[in-house]
Amino acid sequence: GESVGLHLPTLSVQEGDNSIINCAYSNSASDYFIWYKQESGKGPQFIIDIRSNMDKRQGQRVTVLLNKTVKHLSLQIAATQPGDSAVYFCAEIASGNTPLVFGKGTRLSVIA
Amino acid sequence: EAQVTQNPRYLITVTGKKLTVTCSQNMNHEYMSWYRQDPGLGLRQIYYSMNVEVTDKGDVPEGYKVSRKEKRNFPLILESPSPNQTSLYFCASSPLTGVGGNTIYFGEGSWLTVV
Repeated sequence: GESVGLHLPTLSVQEGDNSIINCAYSNSASDYFIWYKQESGKGPQFIIDIRSNMDKRQGQRVTVLLNKTVKHLSLQIAATQPGDSAVYFCAEIASGNTPLVFGKGTRLSVIA
Repeated sequence: EAQVTQNPRYLITVTGKKLTVTCSQNMNHEYMSWYRQDPGLGLRQIYYSMNVEVTDKGDVPEGYKVSRKEKRNFPLILESPSPNQTSLYFCASSPLTGVGGNTIYFGEGSWLTVV
């Protein structure tokens, strides 16, 4: 029979362009969100976080936008570089010390 | 240096042969957790622990056990491994208070293949 594979969403971006990676979350009680970068063969690395009382937060070359109305989170990377090629995960935590829940991830490929 | 250390990093084992993946952190964190990562499914939580002798099931606990006898160690036990447990496993730790994304530390990962 036919088998259906599970494919990671992929975003291909030209070097120097801006990248936007999107994430939808389902738990309206989540009040803290984190973006992680995972390079091949390594564990997730923290990029930037945002609390639910904010709708935008900027870091170095990265910006996270939070839209609580539609439960949507995005990560913007300015002037994307080859070293940005990785899988990017969003993660959410509800109030209190509940476990971190990860999204499925998006693979970013930077074309030189 | 703050770190989470997992062992082994790579293992090929046979169905039914019990194995343990160790995880140790040197940051005196209360919270520790195990995840498995499979293609297209992201990181799914197996078990977590809020403190010594306190463990809870995550999203995919079936086929796994954990223990938290000491604060620094949180081993993952596969009593009778099966091929569907072939995966990449990550251990993570963080403090319970004042948690920020940059205070959650991940290990380097353990590649497990069950044949």
